[in-house]
Amino acid sequence: QKEVEQNSGPLSVPEGAIASLNCTYSDRGSQSFFWYRQYSGKSPELIMFIYSNGDKEDGRFTAQLNKASQYVSLLIRDSQPSDSATYLCAVINTGGFKTIFGAGTRLFVKA
Amino acid sequence: GAVVSQHPSWVICKSGTSVKIECRSLDFQATTMFWYRQFPKQSLMLMATSNEGSKATYEQGVEKDKFLINHASLTLSTLTVTSAHPEDSSFYICSARVRTSGSYEQYFGPGTRLTVT
Repeated sequence: QKEVEQNSGPLSVPEGAIASLNCTYSDRGSQSFFWYRQYSGKSPELIMFIYSNGDKEDGRFTAQLNKASQYVSLLIRDSQPSDSATYLCAVINTGGFKTIFGAGTRLFVKA
Repeated sequence: GAVVSQHPSWVICKSGTSVKIECRSLDFQATTMFWYRQFPKQSLMLMATSNEGSKATYEQGVEKDKFLINHASLTLSTLTVTSAHPEDSSFYICSARVRTSGSYEQYFGPGTRLTVT
């Protein structure tokens, strides 16, 4: 089992729809969870972080964390073509020594 | 968010030469810096983790004598690719982590595209 798992996609949604990206992790003691967006040929950009169970909203983005299920998700409302990118889920493991990245989910938003 | 810079943004060098890449955290002190490599259409691959003033910890399969990492201060880390070969051509990205209240945040530099001819 991979430490951080994401569906590689591609996930295709029409413009204006909600895009839902999911991530599961294996280290039950993980405390910090991040979502990064990476455009082709560019470095990852931090878009959301969440530490506590529940929802955290920032503009069109909502991160959801369920530690009991070891699951973290990212919702993008009113998806735009400019949201088309690879979204990386990242988890800081127990002890805080390592940041473990998922392989990423490619999102395509069709105009 | 915090800003991490990287220099140069791209470099072309001849086989057998060495290349140094600088990574700086501009507006914060980084407790830890990370170096990643990414080949086209592939995932990020962690190469090494470094803490200021101590030796870097390399991931399995990464040659520490080939990829020299120096973490001179809380805001500067360098990666030197020694005796570069064409197979070292890749996108090298540094990342800096900062401690926040209760947890950490980690930010990436813009990356350095290395081409070895």
